[in-house]
Amino acid sequence: QVQLQESGPRLVKPSGTLSLTCAVSGGSISSSNWWSWVRQPPGKGVEWIGEIPQTGSPNYNPSLKSRVTISVDKSKNQLSLKVTSVTAADTAMYYCVRDLGGYDPWGQGTLVTVSS
Amino acid sequence: EIVLTQSPDFQSVTPKEKVTITCRASQSIGSSLHWYQQKPDQSPKLLIKYASQSFSGVPSRFSGSGSGTDFTLTINSLEAEDAATYYCHQSNSLPHTFGQGTKLEIK
Repeated sequence: QVQLQESGPRLVKPSGTLSLTCAVSGGSISSSNWWSWVRQPPGKGVEWIGEIPQTGSPNYNPSLKSRVTISVDKSKNQLSLKVTSVTAADTAMYYCVRDLGGYDPWGQGTLVTVSS
Repeated sequence: EIVLTQSPDFQSVTPKEKVTITCRASQSIGSSLHWYQQKPDQSPKLLIKYASQSFSGVPSRFSGSGSGTDFTLTINSLEAEDAATYYCHQSNSLPHTFGQGTKLEIK
């Protein structure tokens, strides 16, 4: 079955750029029409970051829109997330998910801390 | 943005009890409402999609109902392993949003 694995730097300095990749295994990234990123600050609820379709443009949460880029690399079977100008408020567990309407599966998540 | 409000925020229950968690949307979302279970230090897991469709591999004691603005997740005959935080999520309109979560404690 499809499995997702996020990776990237765990510590990012304020005003820097958060960059994560999500490797898709057990299936093709082309098997699903939509893929998304969500995040969860420690001890808090879940926030949708954005989504990307197989064809067409991504959609982003307006609260983050100017700072977020989501892309897909079909040749590497992975998706990517970039968040620029990060602050402490961007400290969170970041998850990639496959969108079947509901989200499944979820990656194990990667905790990114924004700190100097 | 559609706001999802769950109730209760916290519930302490005994095994074999029946549990009901509600999720109310700030505007109609049809049946585009999904439920997840998150245990400590784990990723959320999909339980129910599109309000009432049980997801593959999920125990039959979990069920969902509702449409429009009011939705319910029901856990029949609660088991100790059901201790977790439960979230609802709407995919009817952008941005997708989640409820604040309902934490279930098993007595």
